[in-house]
Amino acid sequence: KAGVTQTPRYLIKTRGQQVTLSCSPISGHRSVSWYQQTPGQGLQFLFEYFSETQRNKGNFPGRFSGRQFSNSRSEMNVSTLELGDSALYLCASSLEAGSVLANEKLFFGSGTQLSVL
Amino acid sequence: GESVGLHLPTLSVQEGDNSIINCAYSNSASDYFIWYKQESGKGPQFIIDIRSNMDKRQGQRVTVLLNKTVKHLSLQIAATQPGDSAVYFCAVGTGNQFYFGTGTSLTVIP
Repeated sequence: KAGVTQTPRYLIKTRGQQVTLSCSPISGHRSVSWYQQTPGQGLQFLFEYFSETQRNKGNFPGRFSGRQFSNSRSEMNVSTLELGDSALYLCASSLEAGSVLANEKLFFGSGTQLSVL
Repeated sequence: GESVGLHLPTLSVQEGDNSIINCAYSNSASDYFIWYKQESGKGPQFIIDIRSNMDKRQGQRVTVLLNKTVKHLSLQIAATQPGDSAVYFCAVGTGNQFYFGTGTSLTVIP
């Protein structure tokens, strides 16, 4: 069974641009979460989607948005990029609704390394 | 919310020795815990999990211990191998969200 797939693997953008990252969850997984990983902050939760609905959201500005499609694939978008947005963006999938409440494992992709110049 | 911290940002061990990586959390309502391993250039890889109704769980060469009284979690790796070199971090499930520690970088010395 294929794992979580994230594209692209690397991105270089300049300040003010926007970017879209893509995530394909493990087949059969319906929940997709996005995280930002930086050396000093660790993993910070962005948002979670289930059945095309955003069910949970972290403390990030509105420039960060996402969506989920009917096949469970998800995209996240960052508009008006800032230097501080440079990070590894990780997508994680889990089987059902409410990963923590259901005590379900999160499975991560390899991430998209975003560099903002 | 939740605050998750790791006791040591780096840890070096000799090959064949046992490794212990620690994690502390703040919210007594946290009820699900996962340890992840992250190698350079890769995403976090699931190692082992434990629910709050347990205090110990064993896998292949790994053991997770949970002390809910002091809100402390540890990962023990037996007979550490060079392939175990990576960053390890804990994920603490609280409410409907996971909170992550910043990670301990484990270096195995041959």
